[in-house]
Amino acid sequence: GAGVSQTPSNKVTEKGKYVELRCDPISGHTALYWYRQSLGQGPEFLIYFQGTGAADDSGLPNDRFFAVRPEGSVSTLKIQRTERGDSAVYLCASSLSPSDGYTFGSGTRLTVV
Amino acid sequence: KQEVTQIPAALSVPEGENLVLNCSFTDSAIYNLQWFRQDPGKGLTSLLLIQSSQREQTSGRLNASLDKSSGRSTLYIAASQPGDSATYLCAVLGDMRFGAGTRLTVKP
Repeated sequence: GAGVSQTPSNKVTEKGKYVELRCDPISGHTALYWYRQSLGQGPEFLIYFQGTGAADDSGLPNDRFFAVRPEGSVSTLKIQRTERGDSAVYLCASSLSPSDGYTFGSGTRLTVV
Repeated sequence: KQEVTQIPAALSVPEGENLVLNCSFTDSAIYNLQWFRQDPGKGLTSLLLIQSSQREQTSGRLNASLDKSSGRSTLYIAASQPGDSATYLCAVLGDMRFGAGTRLTVKP
């Protein structure tokens, strides 16, 4: 595609529920990144994929968070047993390689009530 | 672990002023550095990418410099306009780390 697409743009869920956030990167970009951004803060790194594999998942806050990229293109960030503290904007970016410039999607605003 | 710091956290200037935003990083063994702009409630828009072997990069009224030895990058904005009001973020690529950003307000 022409850009990085994230769906849904907004998600409201109840505490304890499971959510999935989707990222569709630019075609041909092998590197894909997930970030979380709280109000007034910079993006916080969560996980980086190179192809199908998670090359660095050191930013995932706990085992409720998991991400996959089974075919090396679309990625899904999965959050189990959501908590109110998970409320944030979740950003996805892709690049040709880790040292190339990132292109970001518009983000998914997650609100846990 | 790479730490990225942006100073100041917020800046307010009158229209027409030239200004400098600062980004510092702790590990000078970086790949490349990228500057972004973020408008309220929006995603990040890339402004400039500086390769680790470069010292500066220019696009229109924007000029970004990189000094790896001192762990610093600066974003220079010439003749600022109200439309430049946004949050500016720097990112150390390879390490995938961002600064917290500088919130810029340009007053008409």
